[in-house]
Amino acid sequence: KQEVTQIPAALSVPEGENLVLNCSFTDSAIYNLQWFRQDPGKGLTSLLLIQSSQREQTSGRLNASLDKSSGRSTLYIAASQPGDSATYLCAVFRTSYDKVIFGPGTSLSVIP
Amino acid sequence: DAGVIQSPRHEVTEMGQEVTLRCKPISGHDYLFWYRQTMMRGLELLIYFNNNVPIDDSGMPEDRFSAKMPNASFSTLKIQPSEPRDSAVYFCASSSHGKNIQYFGAGTRLSVL
Repeated sequence: KQEVTQIPAALSVPEGENLVLNCSFTDSAIYNLQWFRQDPGKGLTSLLLIQSSQREQTSGRLNASLDKSSGRSTLYIAASQPGDSATYLCAVFRTSYDKVIFGPGTSLSVIP
Repeated sequence: DAGVIQSPRHEVTEMGQEVTLRCKPISGHDYLFWYRQTMMRGLELLIYFNNNVPIDDSGMPEDRFSAKMPNASFSTLKIQPSEPRDSAVYFCASSSHGKNIQYFGAGTRLSVL
C-alpha cells in the first residue's frame, strides 16, 4: 500500500532564504508526482507535475526533483517571499487511472 | 472560466440531517473528483467520475455517502444521515484528459453538530 509522508510538518524561515521541502513515498512504481499549494480556507493549486520518466521540473522560483529509486521528491523554493506562506502537499499517482495519494503537507511561514 | 465552483461554502447541520454538497466543474473537463480533508486523515479521494460515469467509489466511507453527476456541468455529494464524524472540508476538483493537473474548488466546510 502506497504511503506518502512529508517532512517537516511545519517550517518557518526569514524572507529571502532558500528552502527545501521533502516528500517520501513507499512504492516506487509511480506514474507521476505532483506538488500542490493550499492557502488557508482555499482549495489546492497545482504547482509542478513530474512524470515518472523525469528527474525534475522548474517553474519560476520553484524546482521539484524526483528520485523514484529512493522514493523521494523535493520541492526547492528560491528566495522565499511572505507570499509563499501556505501549506505544500505532494501527491502520488500510481498509474494514470488509479487513486491519487496525498501527503499530509508542510506548513510554511515566511517571515518578513 | 470561473474555475470549479462549490456550494455552499459553509454548512452547519444537526446529526441525522441530510446534507447535499454541489459542484460545477470547469467547462470542457471530463473528470470530476470529490475529496474530503480532515486534520486526522488529511486529503482523501472519495469518488471520481469520467464523462459523468462513476469510475472509482472505493473511497466513499459508508453507504450514507452517495454522489451523482447527472450532466457534465453538475455533481452532488450527499450524506444521509449525517454524523458528527462527517465534519470536514469537502473539495471538488476537475481535470481534462486524465487525472493530472486537477483544478480544485474552494471547498465546502461541513460541521455536523
